Amino acid sequence: AQTVTQSQPEMSVQEAETVTLSCTYDTSESNYYLFWYKQPPSRQMILVIRQEAYKQQNATENRFSVNFQKAAKSFSLKISDSQLGDTAMYFCAFADSNYQLIWGAGTKLIIKP
Amino acid sequence: NAGVTQTPKFQVLKTGQSMTLQCAQDMNHNSMYWYRQDPGMGLRLIYYSASEGTTDKGEVPNGYNVSRLNKREFSLRLESAAPSQTSVYFCASSEAYRGVHGYTFGSGTRLTVV
Repeated sequence: AQTVTQSQPEMSVQEAETVTLSCTYDTSESNYYLFWYKQPPSRQMILVIRQEAYKQQNATENRFSVNFQKAAKSFSLKISDSQLGDTAMYFCAFADSNYQLIWGAGTKLIIKP
Repeated sequence: NAGVTQTPKFQVLKTGQSMTLQCAQDMNHNSMYWYRQDPGMGLRLIYYSASEGTTDKGEVPNGYNVSRLNKREFSLRLESAAPSQTSVYFCASSEAYRGVHGYTFGSGTRLTVV
């Protein structure tokens, strides 16, 4: 069975620091898609960044970037210059060939002023 | 641009009651999904509709039914609610197969079954 594991239930950093959230996954597929979603207290699920497995270049979106290690099945999210508005639950997700998004349990990120 | 709209936002049901959660998207997306989110867990797929006219079971379909009314609308029905269905429900849509451009989510429905 395909799984996504986020090993850090909660993290906290000071504003302006850099933080890295970990995600590992297990699959036998060779082509797939990976996502990081942010869920603030408003409950809205917001796409942060996506990565296509066949692309070796790591995706970046402004202050957000990923470190995608396909062989190690690792997909970590780095947030640079963290801001108070980054406080949220962060979910790693994997899209398999059967339309299903397989989700990790989430990491609660707290940015302290 | 509303994106994905879910109604209602909150609902309390008694065990055995029925209800329908409504979802509509205005992005002309082909695929639509229903997920549930329980504490300490990621989202789990209940049903999905890859395109208008088709629906398929996801990971946790028992106790639910769906209808893809048209390209815009995808409803989720609980025929006889049970306390185990207490959860937050999310509707989502995507432009293409497997959400290659990402999935857009509604703001969720918090359902409590007593």
